[in-house]
Amino acid sequence: DAGVIQSPRHEVTEMGQEVTLRCKPISGHNSLFWYRQTMMRGLELLIYFNNNVPIDDSGMPEDRFSAKMPNASFSTLKIQPSEPRDSAVYFCASINTGGNGYTFGSGTRLTVV
Amino acid sequence: GENVEQHPSTLSVQEGDSAVIKCTYSDSASNYFPWYKQELGKRPQLIIDIRSNVGEKKDQRIAVTLNKTAKHFSLHITETQPEDSAVYFCAASQSGGFKTIFGAGTRLFVKA
Repeated sequence: DAGVIQSPRHEVTEMGQEVTLRCKPISGHNSLFWYRQTMMRGLELLIYFNNNVPIDDSGMPEDRFSAKMPNASFSTLKIQPSEPRDSAVYFCASINTGGNGYTFGSGTRLTVV
Repeated sequence: GENVEQHPSTLSVQEGDSAVIKCTYSDSASNYFPWYKQELGKRPQLIIDIRSNVGEKKDQRIAVTLNKTAKHFSLHITETQPEDSAVYFCAASQSGGFKTIFGAGTRLFVKA
């Protein structure tokens, strides 16, 4: 298994532009999580899905952020419009219910200038 | 909701010494406590975990202990090596498939 796959690895964009981050979870994992990591705030849970259904999006910072999981093998996190304070590393992780710990993707380092 | 506090934020030890990182949690419903290691520029990776029906678990040089009554758990690394240098995160959740709340992380430096 290739693990959790995220793309792109790096994204540099100008303030105001739309950014879309992508994630492919491990096949068979039924829960998917989006986290944001910054030096100041650590690892913050943004949203998670069980069986493709959003369960808790209370961590999504504002309406500019949205996430979808149209099927079991794909999820997106969109920021529109992006702002410099959105600069962070965004991790996707997946797990099987009852499983042992997350498997994280390699992350997307987002820089908004 | 769950809140996880982690101490210390930075820990420096001499190679061969032991390192201990402590965490507390607030939600008594939490029953699964994983620990992750994150090397610079890499993803967090699970290194050990413990469930609430167990008080201690060991895996070679690392061990975790859990005190459910006090709602705290700890990571112990013995005979530290330079390659143990990384950021370590504790976390708490209701086992797998539910959201996991992470501590703020401990940056461990192991000096050769």
